[in-house]
Amino acid sequence: QLQLQESGPGLVKPSETLPLTCTVSGGSISTSSFFWGWIRHSPGKGLQWIGSIYYSGSAYYNPSLKSRVTISVDTSKNQFSLRLSSVTAADTAQYYCVRHIWELTHYHFDCWGLGTQVTVSS
Amino acid sequence: QSVLTQPPSVSGAPGQKVTISCTGSSSNIGANYDVNWYQQLPGTAPKVLIYNNNNRPSGVPDRFSGSKSGTSASLAITGLQAEDEADYYCQSYDLTLKGVFGGGTKLTVL
Repeated sequence: QLQLQESGPGLVKPSETLPLTCTVSGGSISTSSFFWGWIRHSPGKGLQWIGSIYYSGSAYYNPSLKSRVTISVDTSKNQFSLRLSSVTAADTAQYYCVRHIWELTHYHFDCWGLGTQVTVSS
Repeated sequence: QSVLTQPPSVSGAPGQKVTISCTGSSSNIGANYDVNWYQQLPGTAPKVLIYNNNNRPSGVPDRFSGSKSGTSASLAITGLQAEDEADYYCQSYDLTLKGVFGGGTKLTVL
């Protein structure tokens, strides 16, 4: 059974870069037809898709975050990572790594990690 | 402000039927992109409840159903049970913004 597990610091200082890693188990990240992404959830703001990557390394991002986001993939470790720069308190949220399907008009997130809470504070 | 619009809350008594709406625009739902629904129980990660407008993953009861028309979609829950109390989110694809969600609807079982 596919499992995703987020890891990273729970506390990040303002203006610094938030690094998160997602480790995939029970399946290969190099499987075709699947993308791998990040979603965050903050109270009062709902769910926000951050960005996604294909195992080949092709990435695409939420336009509102694009200038600060980098998503990368390491197929040898079956992991993918998020880096969010210049964080502020508004980036405090629960961060989830996800697997998703994107075929023509079909686009949904079919597997979610448990999530990791990140707080931005000095 | 979410791209997809949902009512903040709905409620119903056990055994009743409730419906949650999701309104988009011509750049997402109206552009023929599928609508998906997620259920988030307290303290847990969201899980997909309905995908591609009206498909249920294995293990999801047939009390849950989805529909789509024009720029809107709906999630219907029949035979409401206490365990259905959760937050529900709709999601689609937008031509400009890509992955987009609704603001979420809190379902209260009276």
